Amino acid sequence: DGGITQSPKYLFRKEGQNVTLSCEQNLNHDAMYWYRQDPGQGLRLIYYSQIVNDFQKGDIAEGYSVSREKKESFPLTVTSAQKNPTAFYLCASSGRPRTGVGNQPQHFGDGTRLSIL
Amino acid sequence: GQQLNQSPQSMFIQEGEDVSMNCTSSSIFNTWLWYKQDPGEGPVLLIALYKAGELTSNGRLTAQFGITRKDSFLNISASIPSDVGIYFCAGQRGNKLVFGAGTILRVKS
Repeated sequence: DGGITQSPKYLFRKEGQNVTLSCEQNLNHDAMYWYRQDPGQGLRLIYYSQIVNDFQKGDIAEGYSVSREKKESFPLTVTSAQKNPTAFYLCASSGRPRTGVGNQPQHFGDGTRLSIL
Repeated sequence: GQQLNQSPQSMFIQEGEDVSMNCTSSSIFNTWLWYKQDPGEGPVLLIALYKAGELTSNGRLTAQFGITRKDSFLNISASIPSDVGIYFCAGQRGNKLVFGAGTILRVKS
């Protein structure tokens, strides 16, 4: 089945530790995204990548880093500089814009819940 | 960052009732999207709207892209227990999405 796989489902971080969240897609999508979701709020964009080896900061990039070495993979590292990392992290991807229609909708993985020990 | 104004914040309705929720923005969007999120899972796309004035249905769901391109609504007809969850609107500009804060739907059986 085609889809977006995020792992792990749950992750715990110790003080001063960096942790990496995995996101893999087999939809052949060019663009990939990372969002953070806090209770009672909508999703906020952390980083996005429109093509391999290129990525841009979103609205809340501080304390996070990403890489895009392969089309299928877009891992997110939550660094020790992120002082409030407890949240639900969602990865998404979208295909190329279609002529006459525009940008394709984003499709999401099932998320990783990160907590502080 | 900008967020959309989504209302109501939550709804508690009787099974079989129709539901309506909407999103407004001070900015224009090229595309409006509606997602549903179940607890502990990622949002699932329900309806995508690409043209101002467009009215699109997906089963019991109907959504419209406002003429001004600054708003959208979602209707659910004859609600059932599995409709519970959080519904998000999102406006798309280029490759970026702006999300509403969500409408929590609870259904009384």
